[in-house]
Amino acid sequence: RKEVEQDPGPFNVPEGATVAFNCTYSNSASQSFFWYRQDCRKEPKLLMSVYSSGNEDGRFTAQLNRASQYISLLIRDSKLSDSATYLCVVNMREYGNKLVFGAGTILRVKS
Amino acid sequence: NAGVTQTPKFQVLKTGQSMTLQCAQDMNHEYMSWYRQDPGMGLRLIHYSVGAGITDQGEVPNGYNVSRSTTEDFPLRLLSAAPSQTSVYFCASRKGPNYGYTFGSGTRLTVV
Repeated sequence: RKEVEQDPGPFNVPEGATVAFNCTYSNSASQSFFWYRQDCRKEPKLLMSVYSSGNEDGRFTAQLNRASQYISLLIRDSKLSDSATYLCVVNMREYGNKLVFGAGTILRVKS
Repeated sequence: NAGVTQTPKFQVLKTGQSMTLQCAQDMNHEYMSWYRQDPGMGLRLIHYSVGAGITDQGEVPNGYNVSRSTTEDFPLRLLSAAPSQTSVYFCASRKGPNYGYTFGSGTRLTVV
């Protein structure tokens, strides 16, 4: 089983739609979680950290479910500029705090 | 603030050549890592460091060496380049385990 798994997509949605991505992780001791965004041929950029109580940043909401070992990202009112690959990232504390990336979920927002 | 600076941006090597990919950060971050990204494979960890003088292997360390003599610099050395090392290489740094990484803009390496 991969340490971090994501649905690769692509998710094709119209502008204004709400879309949700899920990500599962294998190690229950993992402590820190993040969502990154990566545009084609660019470096990944931190979108948001994921906190235990859930957190929101504008149109983006992240949730953590420790019992089921998954995190989610919800994007409301999708914009064309949201088209990108979204990477789920988990900090593996018991393995020297290495950050493990999921393979990414492709989002395409169309007008 | 320059953030994380990687050089070179592009490089073509012949099989068997060696080279060093440079990475420097000016944010006084303790943690630094090298990842490679191949189509359809996602980011894979090569080596990482949690402070000056401390390095450890990641998922795909074979064929690569690192050292961390200063907080700022974390060079990646390819010992004898192979076509399988054709990839995009990203260096990243972060303040600590509860923080996300800031990435450099990447080095696109082709080995022929």
